[in-house]
Amino acid sequence: GQQLNQSPQSMFIQEGEDVSMNCTSSSIFNTWLWYKQEPGEGPVLLIALYKAGELTSNGRLTAQFGITRKDSFLNISASIPSDVGIYFCAGSGTASKLTFGTGTRLQVTL
Amino acid sequence: SAVISQKPSRDICQRGTSLTIQCQVDSQVTMMFWYRQQPGQSLTLIATANQGSEATYESGFVIDKFPISRPNLTFSTLTVSNMSPEDSSIYLCSVNTGGGWETQYFGPGTRLLVL
Repeated sequence: GQQLNQSPQSMFIQEGEDVSMNCTSSSIFNTWLWYKQEPGEGPVLLIALYKAGELTSNGRLTAQFGITRKDSFLNISASIPSDVGIYFCAGSGTASKLTFGTGTRLQVTL
Repeated sequence: SAVISQKPSRDICQRGTSLTIQCQVDSQVTMMFWYRQQPGQSLTLIATANQGSEATYESGFVIDKFPISRPNLTFSTLTVSNMSPEDSSIYLCSVNTGGGWETQYFGPGTRLLVL
């Protein structure tokens, strides 16, 4: 089936640094979503993107829907300890279901 | 939004046994989903369980292994049958309250370890 490749797989950064992660697909998606999952919890939606080229922000988070519709990226500015978690991209094509990326594990050190 | 609870939150089971996972939502929803998240992996959709119809299973998942019940608009169960160590995963319930992806919510998951 479809698979979304996310990179990097994991990141160790210092508090205050900016973070960038991306997601690529072999298929075109109509919607790109970014989720955060903390230990013991389900994923929580951070940003939803619905149009190629769209750039959307949510506080310190900014995400873009790639112009080819096969990729997306997420930036986190000025990271803080509570940003720790696993970040997943997810895409939706013509079928009404989500395909999740492989995840980026973020660790923030003081 | 939707508040989703799952029972049990975690369990350790012996191979060959079955476990039924419950999902309870605080509001009536039509669309309910079950996902599997294998250790360190991404989420994979097992099936869609809409009330009033049979569950629709994704490729690689079958009803005999993962029977699902959806008796009403606030509740669903997923059974993991005849378990093997490969079934060790987090099983997540998810609902969609409005039809768009921004209205999809996930439960906290059930952590299953099969010995």
